[in-house]
Amino acid sequence: NAGVTQTPKFRILKIGQSMTLQCTQDMNHNYMYWYRQDPGMGLKLIYYSVGAGITDKGEVPNGYNVSRSTTEDFPLRLELAAPSQTSVYFCASSYDVARDTQYFGPGTRLTVL
Amino acid sequence: AQSVTQPDIHITVSEGASLELRCNYSYGATPYLFWYVQSPGQGLQLLLKYFSGDTLVQGIKGFEAEFKRSQSSFNLRKPSVHWSDAAEYFCAVTNTGNQFYFGTGTSLTVIP
Repeated sequence: NAGVTQTPKFRILKIGQSMTLQCTQDMNHNYMYWYRQDPGMGLKLIYYSVGAGITDKGEVPNGYNVSRSTTEDFPLRLELAAPSQTSVYFCASSYDVARDTQYFGPGTRLTVL
Repeated sequence: AQSVTQPDIHITVSEGASLELRCNYSYGATPYLFWYVQSPGQGLQLLLKYFSGDTLVQGIKGFEAEFKRSQSSFNLRKPSVHWSDAAEYFCAVTNTGNQFYFGTGTSLTVIP
């Protein structure tokens, strides 16, 4: 049982490039989340999903896209990378809403130059 | 708008001393409240959570937190800190489970 896995661990992008951050969970969780964490700041919710085929915006969705074709996978897409997207990205999952524990992946550190 | 405030950016305590980390929230309804811990280079791990019932909740690693509605607070406590408790601590709030709001975190340093 690997929990929540994220790839890659580190990535450097040039301005305008695109990439996909991968997130997979093997706990059969319905809910999945993408956060970004900037230095000295808490986590900000980018997008979330309540099940396969259903996604919705969080607090800071601009510049990102997501999809959820399976229960296990929840990739985050950056189409035109900007320096403001330099951050650490965390994926999380939970079985149910609100009361349930979120399980976090180890994070992806992204730098946009 | 919902928000979470952690007034202390950094706290230093001696090993064996007691610890209290502060968390205040702004929320219209009764919130669900969480404390997470993040070790360097790691993801977040849940310490404890509150959503109803007894306002004093026990968590893992000897941590506890008390929900005080009148003060809109959910402070984290530990009677005796261990060196392995050095980490970043985040308070979080939600009501629906779809939108989570995290505080900016408190960094804990433990002096031997």
